[in-house]
Amino acid sequence: EDQVTQSPEALRLQEGESSSLNCSYTVSGLRGLFWYRQDPGKGPEFLFTLYSAGEEKEKERLKATLTKKESFLHITAPKPEDSATYLCAVQAGNYGQNFVFGPGTRLSVLP
Amino acid sequence: NAGVMQNPRHLVRRRGQEARLRCSPMKGHSHVYWYRQLPEEGLKFMVYLQKENIIDESGMPKERFSAEFPKEGPSILRIQQVVRGDSAAYFCASSPRTNTEAFFGQGTRLTVV
Repeated sequence: EDQVTQSPEALRLQEGESSSLNCSYTVSGLRGLFWYRQDPGKGPEFLFTLYSAGEEKEKERLKATLTKKESFLHITAPKPEDSATYLCAVQAGNYGQNFVFGPGTRLSVLP
Repeated sequence: NAGVMQNPRHLVRRRGQEARLRCSPMKGHSHVYWYRQLPEEGLKFMVYLQKENIIDESGMPKERFSAEFPKEGPSILRIQQVVRGDSAAYFCASSPRTNTEAFFGQGTRLTVV
């Protein structure tokens, strides 16, 4: 069954403690993988788009990478303001044009 | 360049009433997506529209729910005869074309009492 999973479900880090979030997908015909950040009570905020295995994107303390089966969101030296739920989504051939979201990883960065 | 605008931000309806949720996409965007998010749950796809056309409504309940994206004006998600289970956050997203990222609005939080 095609699906998108994320791990861990929740992650607590100390400020400055680097880590990685995982997004695994089992879909056919991947057209794009997308990372979003969602703060409580807000809409998802776009972070990155990755289209092919080996591709990497960076923005401030965040770096997203993509393989044929998973994507990682690396967070380097996080700050408390990085606390949020991080969502990944895929567009794939058998899903049409809609975005299929994973359940998210709730990140808490403690000062 | 204003982002995706949704209104109202909060909507309270009594059971049996109708709810109309509006979404104005970003300028130049002709693709609109609607998602529903229940508390502590993920985003669930409902419907994908392009101007004047419903492209994919596979995530939309068969009854009481409808969506439109007219040639002029915002996209509308309409829920007739609301029930308590319809209480959720409804998000709209827009994109300029296919196979590219979509940008989300701040959502409409519907509460059915």
